[in-house]
Amino acid sequence: NAGVTQTPKFQVLKTGQSMTLQCAQDMNHNSMYWYRQDPGMGLRLIYYSASEGTTDKGEVPNGYNVSRLNKREFSLRLESAAPSQTSVYFCASSEVAVTSGNTIYFGEGSWLTVV
Amino acid sequence: EDKVVQSPLSLVVHEGDTVTLNCSYEVTNFRSLLWYKQEKKAPTFLFMLTSSGIEKKSGRLSSILDKKELFSILNITATQTGDSAVYLCAVLPVESDYKLSFGAGTTVTVRA
Repeated sequence: NAGVTQTPKFQVLKTGQSMTLQCAQDMNHNSMYWYRQDPGMGLRLIYYSASEGTTDKGEVPNGYNVSRLNKREFSLRLESAAPSQTSVYFCASSEVAVTSGNTIYFGEGSWLTVV
Repeated sequence: EDKVVQSPLSLVVHEGDTVTLNCSYEVTNFRSLLWYKQEKKAPTFLFMLTSSGIEKKSGRLSSILDKKELFSILNITATQTGDSAVYLCAVLPVESDYKLSFGAGTTVTVRA
C-alpha cells in the first residue's frame, strides 16, 4: 500500500540547475498538492491541482512550475534552482477538497539542497 | 494574510505526563482546523475540527476548538515515547477548498 510516493528522496543541486520532483499516488485521489517545509515556518503550499487537467498557485509559487500529468502523477519543476529553494518538499493528495471532510495524505518528503 | 501560531515551540516531558498544545489563528472566514503528527517524515492526520466546543477524541489524544476565541488545543494524556513528534496545526478558510495554512509546529519530546 504505497499511498503517495515521491522521487528523489535526496538531491543536491548547483545554483542555476534545473530538476523535477516526481510524485505519484495510488489512492485514486482527485486533488494533489506540493508543499515546502522550512525550519520555523511550517508547511507552505506551492501549487495544487484540484483535479486532473487543472493547476493553481498556492502561497509560494515563484520559481516553480507544475504538471498534472494524469490523475496519478503531479510533478514539480525548478527551472533555475536558487539557494532559497533549499527545503524539504512534500507531495500530498486528497480524495476531493479538504472541505468535504477528506484529509490530505502526505508523501515522505524530498530533501533538496541547492549550493 | 491568514496566520496560524502554535505554542509552545517545543517541550520535553517524561512518560506518563499530560501535554497540552495550543494553536491560535487569525483567518478570514474560518472553515475548519486540522491537527497532524509528523515523525521525521510524512505528516499524518489526527483530527479535523469544524464546530466549536465539540471534543474529538482518539485514544489518549483529544482536541477541542473555540471559534469565539480563535484557538484549538490538542491534549495528549499518559504520554509515551512514541508520542515524540512535531505536531502541526492547519486552518482552512471558507474561500478556498484546498489552501491549508499551517503553523510552524510544536516539537514534543517524551523521555522514558
